[in-house]
Amino acid sequence: GAVVSQHPSWVICKSGTSVKIECRSLDFQATTMFWYRQFPKQSLMLMATSNEGSKATYEQGVEKDKFLINHASLTLSTLTVTSAHPEDSSFYICSARAADSPFYEKLFFGSGTQLSVL
Amino acid sequence: QQQVKQSPQSLIVQKGGISIINCAYENTAFDYFPWYQQFPGKGPALLIAIRPDVSEKKEGRFTISFNKSAKQFSLHIMDSQPGDSATYFCAASYNTGNQFYFGTGTSLTVIP
Repeated sequence: GAVVSQHPSWVICKSGTSVKIECRSLDFQATTMFWYRQFPKQSLMLMATSNEGSKATYEQGVEKDKFLINHASLTLSTLTVTSAHPEDSSFYICSARAADSPFYEKLFFGSGTQLSVL
Repeated sequence: QQQVKQSPQSLIVQKGGISIINCAYENTAFDYFPWYQQFPGKGPALLIAIRPDVSEKKEGRFTISFNKSAKQFSLHIMDSQPGDSATYFCAASYNTGNQFYFGTGTSLTVIP
């Protein structure tokens, strides 16, 4: 299967600082990338959808000024959690939808980032 | 509104048994139905997927059964092993759409 690389896998930061999470599709182009948040033993909560070269579409209730998403190329999207607070602590996962063969239209996930805000 | 409903929430199966997880959907425009497997602390991994033009797809011990008229699809894990213990998510999407709709997940525990 295709590989989506997500970094860092875990990060601890102080309250008030910003954290950037990177998501790369390594062997396919992804016109669309998705960012999810997942709480322990719960389902995936879609935060936003990002399309290469355009502004991300945020789900209702997700603060776009707090969770900055940039999809600068067909293989890279970043999520920046600005002025992080303890309530932002969570497991963040990116996914990428393949735009070309042989993985056309399939959705692949990164390995996730565990964010802990002290 | 939950676009894809998944059951059961949790499942315990003996080693060697068959694990069955069910999903149902309402939107007949969905035409791609993948299943994902997620281990703790990891992202979901694509396990197997089906399109509505076939009623069954098998890959190793994993089989998807698809019932278009009932708008239901299920994952069957044959000869379940302790290593299959994970959370499983079903999903649905449109061919031309830009969104995947996930079920709420099933926590599978296979006991030796």
